[in-house]
Amino acid sequence: NAGVIQTPRHKVTGKGQEATLWCEPISGHSAVFWYRQTIVQGLEFLTYFRNQAPIDDSGMPKERFSAQMPNQSHSTLKIQSTQPQDSAVYLCASSLARSSYEQYFGPGTRLTVL
Amino acid sequence: GDSVTQTEGQVTVSESKSLIINCTYSTTSIAYPNLFWYVRYPGEGLQLLLKVITAGQKGSSRGFEATYNKETTSFHLQKASVQESDSAVYYCALGGNYAQGLTFGLGTRVSVFP
Repeated sequence: NAGVIQTPRHKVTGKGQEATLWCEPISGHSAVFWYRQTIVQGLEFLTYFRNQAPIDDSGMPKERFSAQMPNQSHSTLKIQSTQPQDSAVYLCASSLARSSYEQYFGPGTRLTVL
Repeated sequence: GDSVTQTEGQVTVSESKSLIINCTYSTTSIAYPNLFWYVRYPGEGLQLLLKVITAGQKGSSRGFEATYNKETTSFHLQKASVQESDSAVYYCALGGNYAQGLTFGLGTRVSVFP
């Protein structure tokens, strides 16, 4: 079991460029979560998919951020027109979609916007 | 909304001494909160340390214990005798009784010195 895989591990973009972050959940896990971690705000929930369907995007910024899960083996988080305040570590987690679940976290992608 | 408060950002403790990390929670949306402690060891990803899904119950793992107190809305983490290998960042988290995004505290960095 390779765990949750996130690529790239580090990404540097210029202001205004687009960034796409990839997540491969643990095989058999039907729930996928995205979080963002910064020094000031800590770990913040962004969005969640269950069986590839978007369930809750209450934490997603209303503009420039979007997430998709085109198949059960990967999810993407896309940030358009990146801004310096988007710099953060983006974490993906997966779990079984049932009660008493445990979320397994990936190593994260560190995004730096210059 | 939901929130989790960890009052200590950093704790330094001598090996073999006791440790307590405070965590309190607040929720307006979750009828039956589930409570978690996650840990990030140096160079590793975020992983679950323990969880308790029923008020009044205690969870334990790796010598750590935490009791879910609904009256005081607290979920403090304790260990009677810490080791250098317990040096890590500890996060308290709140979730519901089905798969959903977690609400995390800001984390407590624990440094154990010999």
